[in-house]
Amino acid sequence: GAVVSQHPSRVICKSGTSVKIECRSLDFQATTMFWYRQFPKQSLMLMATSNEGSKATYEQGVEKDKFLINHASLTLSTLTVTSAHPEDSSFYICSAIQTGTGQEKLFFGSGTQLSVL
Amino acid sequence: AQSVAQPEDQVNVAEGNPLTVKCTYSVSGNPYLFWYVQYPNRGLQFLLKYITGDNLVKGSYGFEAEFNKSQTSFHLKKPSALVSDSALYFCAVREDTGGFKTIFGAGTRLFVKA
Repeated sequence: GAVVSQHPSRVICKSGTSVKIECRSLDFQATTMFWYRQFPKQSLMLMATSNEGSKATYEQGVEKDKFLINHASLTLSTLTVTSAHPEDSSFYICSAIQTGTGQEKLFFGSGTQLSVL
Repeated sequence: AQSVAQPEDQVNVAEGNPLTVKCTYSVSGNPYLFWYVQYPNRGLQFLLKYITGDNLVKGSYGFEAEFNKSQTSFHLKKPSALVSDSALYFCAVREDTGGFKTIFGAGTRLFVKA
């Protein structure tokens, strides 16, 4: 079945540095990908919708300049957490929509645990 | 290892009838359980969660889910289905071991006929 690869699975960084997370659809093209974050004991929170070749659509309350999203190709979307701070520590997960098979399907990456020291 | 199973790819229900979307899970510790819904070309929306407490959890849009520890199930239910409930539903589990990884089921497509 379709696979979404998310990398890295875990990253630890110093406060003030930037971190890039990649989300790849391995065997299908995804014009639309989604980025979420999840805090302990909380549900996923949609951060933004990433559309290939255009600007991402951010949810209310999500800082565009803080969380940079680039969907440069039909198989790759990246989320860059700029000037990371400890409060950015969270679990980030991406998902991608597979279309063209008669039914739209949603596949998830395995997530990235970000810890900012 | 954690796992989630949604045994039905699709569920068909007539409007006004009760609906059930099944989910079973496997974790080695205590589970945190979630249900999400996805409408076409949209991101996931949170419906409800079970962390601890009452086994019957009530959520958004009239949905509820019952945590059954002995059967390791967390089925999503609604007493009276609406056509607008037609969507893709995902069950997810996270293990209460201090880790953060969330595992999603494959999803169940719900069709509600008028």
